[in-house]
Amino acid sequence: EAEVAQSPRYKITEKSQAVAFWCDPISGHATLYWYRQILGQGPELLVQFQDESVVDDSQLPKDRFSAERLKGVDSTLKIQPAELGDSAMYLCASKRGDTEAFFGQGTRLTVV
Amino acid sequence: EDQVTQSPEALRLQEGESSSLNCSYTVSGLRGLFWYRQDPGKGPEFLFTLYSAGEEKEKERLKATLTKKESFLHITAPKPEDSATYLCAVQAGSNSGYALNFGKGTSLLVTP
Repeated sequence: EAEVAQSPRYKITEKSQAVAFWCDPISGHATLYWYRQILGQGPELLVQFQDESVVDDSQLPKDRFSAERLKGVDSTLKIQPAELGDSAMYLCASKRGDTEAFFGQGTRLTVV
Repeated sequence: EDQVTQSPEALRLQEGESSSLNCSYTVSGLRGLFWYRQDPGKGPEFLFTLYSAGEEKEKERLKATLTKKESFLHITAPKPEDSATYLCAVQAGSNSGYALNFGKGTSLLVTP
């Protein structure tokens, strides 16, 4: 069964350092989302891609966060510099058309 | 602005005690309502998609229903393994693609 792959699963980084997360969506899924989920809250959208184009990054803190999906397949989310408040679960999801989205297992980020 | 509100925030049930979770929404141009299950430390797992008022979907002890303003997730005779956080998400269509907005979730605990 096809899955959304994310790495790493866990990341501990010091404040002010750079960190990057990787996502490989299900093959053929044109839409890719990055979400941030704080413990006890629902996922909040950071950025949405349609193929290689960004269609919504209104909630992405662009002074420190960047995201790319260069060939319309896998994607990278970067934070530089990391802040204590960035500690959260970062989730990647993909889908085809207006059907359901499938999520990866997430990256748990801890900033110390 | 699209809004998704889930209630209750937390629910504790005895094994076999049936109940319902609520998801109320306000969205322009609904293109689907989705239910997910999330276990601690993992990504959300897809359960159901509902597209139009009156639609119902069932899977084992779970049944999801949809009206024009809300959705219910009915849990019949729950078991301890049904303990998880249940997330509701709405998808709205626009020229920029299909945004997927989540509620904060209902944390369900089923005790033996």
